[in-house]
Amino acid sequence: DSGVTQTPKHLITATGQRVTLRCSPRSGDLSVYWYQQSLDQGLQFLIQYYNGEERAKGNILERFSAQQFPDLHSELNLSSLELGDSALYFCASSPGWGLENEQFFGPGTRLTVL
Amino acid sequence: GESVGLHLPTLSVQEGDNSIINCAYSNSASDYFIWYKQESGKGPQFIIDIRSNMDKRQGQRVTVLLNKTVKHLSLQIAATQPGDSAVYFCAEMGLNRDDKIIFGKGTRLHILP
Repeated sequence: DSGVTQTPKHLITATGQRVTLRCSPRSGDLSVYWYQQSLDQGLQFLIQYYNGEERAKGNILERFSAQQFPDLHSELNLSSLELGDSALYFCASSPGWGLENEQFFGPGTRLTVL
Repeated sequence: GESVGLHLPTLSVQEGDNSIINCAYSNSASDYFIWYKQESGKGPQFIIDIRSNMDKRQGQRVTVLLNKTVKHLSLQIAATQPGDSAVYFCAEMGLNRDDKIIFGKGTRLHILP
């Protein structure tokens, strides 16, 4: 158990819909990262927040957004969902903001868009 | 349920033998590299890291080798055990503020009894 929790574990929805994925980082960690893992693209970095502020952006679509709240939990919002958004979404946390800080991954949310 | 792609390259190794998993990275300017292990139904787990100013680093039963000339990274697992069955992938990154982490596709390690 990494100490990072993600909810829900599974999510099934339809095209065009909007969903919110939630992540609680390890106690004391200030950075939260979001990743997408699909069969064809592998694991891809989406976005990082550090202590409530966006720090780095990766391959995140404009239909997707995230935020980190004062209690440091984070939410990833996915809107206007398409079939290709079906994937595993992982959250990771680390103590600091630099990539050399070890990241601890949650168990993931499996999103299926029908 | 299965976490990662069904068509990953697979390395089958006899239990007790050593495993060598390879990774070709893309950016010659990458400063830092990590090997991750991902078991079925779980998130990736850090195994070992190495900075670009090193060519070898050892951990417990694992060794990472870095060859910057050919942009190649390898992970050696000694005395492979059934619990080592997983997908392994490398990650590369720069350590400047705007640098991003890039993951390799992964290799599935299958342990033969």
